[in-house]
Amino acid sequence: DAEITQSPRHKITETGRQVTLACHQTWNHNNMFWYRQDLGHGLRLIHYSYGVQDTNKGEVSDGYSVSRSNTEDLPLTLESAASSQTSVYFCASSDHGEQYFGPGTRLTVT
Amino acid sequence: AQTVTQSQPEMSVQEAETVTLSCTYDTSESDYYLFWYKQPPSRQMILVIRQEAYKQQNATENRFSVNFQKAAKSFSLKISDSQLGDAAMYFCAYRSSFNNNDMRFGAGTRLTVKP
Repeated sequence: DAEITQSPRHKITETGRQVTLACHQTWNHNNMFWYRQDLGHGLRLIHYSYGVQDTNKGEVSDGYSVSRSNTEDLPLTLESAASSQTSVYFCASSDHGEQYFGPGTRLTVT
Repeated sequence: AQTVTQSQPEMSVQEAETVTLSCTYDTSESDYYLFWYKQPPSRQMILVIRQEAYKQQNATENRFSVNFQKAAKSFSLKISDSQLGDAAMYFCAYRSSFNNNDMRFGAGTRLTVKP
């Protein structure tokens, strides 16, 4: 069965460190998204991609970057982790319909 | 910009009873999609139901149904015969038909099911 996976599921890092969260989908979807989930805000869009070599900024992109070298993967990088980036991160993919979500990564920045 | 509002941070329901979760949204577009997602303690986001704005008929999926009022920009979720496994956070979401990346989520409603 097609799926979308994220790794790691939990991560603790220190302020100032670079962190990369992985997202891998086997749906063969062109569209991929990264969200963060914080209490009282639902999910907010960080970055998205419509295909290989395409990346775009979302609502809360400051301090984050993504790259898309193939259809299956969209890694999210925190260049210099800050305490404000402590959150749960979700990756999603879609074709033209609804978005399918990964299981999430809980990131704690100390 | 489109916004989605869930005015009930928490709701509770007795097992086997019916509960309705509210959602309103703001948009100037005429064509769009609306979704309800369930997030259990496992954190997995699970699509419960979707509604296309151009369809007048309310979507139904087993015990889950929606009341879509386009003019009022309201999209409530009704859960019938509530089960313990329905306990979760529920998120209402809006997605533009013209812009696949423009998906907006409400802040969520935490549903508790009492045995």
